[in-house]
Amino acid sequence: ELKVEQNPLFLSMQEGKNYTIYCNYSTTSDRLYWYRQDPGKSLESLFVLLSNGAVKQEGRLMASLDTKARLSTLHITAAVHDLSATYFCAVGNNNNDMRFGAGTRLTVKP
Amino acid sequence: ETGVTQTPRHLVMGMTNKKSLKCEQHLGHNAMYWYKQSAKKPLELMFVYSLEERVENNSVPSRFSPECPNSSHLFLHLHTLQPEDSALYLCASSPGQGGTGELFFGEGSRLTVL
Repeated sequence: ELKVEQNPLFLSMQEGKNYTIYCNYSTTSDRLYWYRQDPGKSLESLFVLLSNGAVKQEGRLMASLDTKARLSTLHITAAVHDLSATYFCAVGNNNNDMRFGAGTRLTVKP
Repeated sequence: ETGVTQTPRHLVMGMTNKKSLKCEQHLGHNAMYWYKQSAKKPLELMFVYSLEERVENNSVPSRFSPECPNSSHLFLHLHTLQPEDSALYLCASSPGQGGTGELFFGEGSRLTVL
């Protein structure tokens, strides 16, 4: 059974600092997704990673995928308050089977 | 109107009520999903429809009954629910086979069962 583990589950960081969220998964997959959820809101797609070594960047966020290690990272550079949200990774083998991690609740403090 | 739209956004119901959640997507996608998000569990996949046919039912209790009359609409019919069914129910769509598998979510329907 596919299991997805994120860490940390809670992250409090100062503005301007860097940090990395990790997503490990238990079975082979070449599809990895990152989503953002603001309180009371839905999930917004951030990144789609479809191959080993894939790296994508959008603003202060950069996501990477290592399918051999079954690991994806979401790196935050020079955090700002607007990045405060819950970040989910999700792993899929096909369109019908996508498993989500528990989410990382990020709080960026001034 | 674009994206994935869910109604109602909030619903309070008693355990003996019957209600329905509605989802509509304007993205031309072929697959639609129901997910449950509760405070203590990761997002749980409930149902998947591809081209209006159910392709997955993740052992969901029969008090939840999905309906997909066409590729743009998805319903979740609710009856005799339990308080532990209180959660945020999220609808999503994806292009389907041949796509990236990326999901596009609606705003969710927050359900409270008294």
